[in-house]
Amino acid sequence: AQSVTQLGSHVSVSEGALVLLRCNYSSSVPPYLFWYVQYPNQGLQLLLKYTSAATLVKGINGFEAEFKKSETSFHLTKPSAHMSDAAEYFCAVSEGNTGFQKLVFGTGTRLLVSP
Amino acid sequence: DVKVTQSSRYLVKRTGEKVFLECVQDMDHENMFWYRQDPGLGLRLIYFSYDVKMKEKGDIPEGYSVSREKKERFSLILESASTNQTSMYLCASSLLQVNTGELFFGEGSRLTVL
Repeated sequence: AQSVTQLGSHVSVSEGALVLLRCNYSSSVPPYLFWYVQYPNQGLQLLLKYTSAATLVKGINGFEAEFKKSETSFHLTKPSAHMSDAAEYFCAVSEGNTGFQKLVFGTGTRLLVSP
Repeated sequence: DVKVTQSSRYLVKRTGEKVFLECVQDMDHENMFWYRQDPGLGLRLIYFSYDVKMKEKGDIPEGYSVSREKKERFSLILESASTNQTSMYLCASSLLQVNTGELFFGEGSRLTVL
């Protein structure tokens, strides 16, 4: 069964600093991988997804993630943090090409951005 | 834009009460899901449905049931609410070809059981 591990329940950065949120996955077949973001008092929205095309995936709001099969990782980055990036971020995995899919979510990482 | 609407943002119920959480989507999606979100545990799937009157158990179905009488509406039912069901409940929908992985979420229903 697939699973994801997000390292660090909280990450703090200063405005303008690099953002790095870590995600490692476990899957017996080539996975589809996703990052979702949840702003305070809102539902989740898709930030970006990897579905076996390019390994470097660009998403909304300047975020990107790189799929590294050898490291079973799909870390989320942004070169320069903005105050509006403060939110909770969830990594998720589904097993592609095996029919009906369910997403399995990580436990989330809360990003704190200080002035 | 896809819109998933959850009828109640905040509810307070007493132990033993029957609780209905309603979810409606307006994009003709086949799949609908109910997740529970708790701090440190992420999102856990309670039930999902891929067609009208169809339902499948997720990872934590105990204490919950669901109803899908119409394609656009998916209801979560707590037959007898307990304090350990105090949580944020998120409804989501997606197209049948869900291996794209894009779920559309509602804003959540925060349930407190006293």
